[in-house]
Amino acid sequence: GQQLNQSPQSMFIQEGEDVSMNCTSSSIFNTWLWYKQDPGEGPVLLIALYKAGELTSNGRLTAQFGITRKDSFLNISASIPSDVGIYFCAGLQSGGSNYKLTFGKGTLLTVNP
Amino acid sequence: DAGITQSPRHKVTETGTPVTLRCHQTENHRYMYWYRQDPGHGLRLIHYSYGVKDTDKGEVSDGYSVSRSKTEDFLLTLESATSSQTSVYFCAISNLAGASNTQYFGPGTRLTVL
Repeated sequence: GQQLNQSPQSMFIQEGEDVSMNCTSSSIFNTWLWYKQDPGEGPVLLIALYKAGELTSNGRLTAQFGITRKDSFLNISASIPSDVGIYFCAGLQSGGSNYKLTFGKGTLLTVNP
Repeated sequence: DAGITQSPRHKVTETGTPVTLRCHQTENHRYMYWYRQDPGHGLRLIHYSYGVKDTDKGEVSDGYSVSRSKTEDFLLTLESATSSQTSVYFCAISNLAGASNTQYFGPGTRLTVL
């Protein structure tokens, strides 16, 4: 299947720092989703993006749908300890089955107080 | 949070035994999915359903079957469990196809096959 390249794989930052992560693909996607997963729990949807170029915020989180439709970015400003977790991107491709998301392998974020 | 429950939350079983995992939703969403999550592989789609009694295979469907007799329930069955099926299994739901297919996940079932 199609692959999403998510980077970085892991990040170790100090509380208060800003964080950036991204997902790229060689294929075009018409929807990008960002999820966060805490240990022992299911992924929780953070932000959904539906249009190329779209920039959407959710509190300290901002995500962008790349203009080429082949990438997406997630930024977290002024990180806090509860931001710790794994962040996943997911994309929905144009054409074919409209039900299947493709997931990145995740970015593990550690925030040092 | 979307009303999704999974049962059991944890299960330990032996190789060769049948196992059924249940996903129950209270959102009346049309689409339901089963994923497995493994280190180094992320989330991989096993099977999905686009309506009652309408199901299709995902990318890692071998060794798994599903059934959906009611809108609210989606069952995942391992007919004869193997150690390679030790994983965390997540159910997800969504209500719209196409570009608005935003999926919401359940809390997961941790399955260990000895």
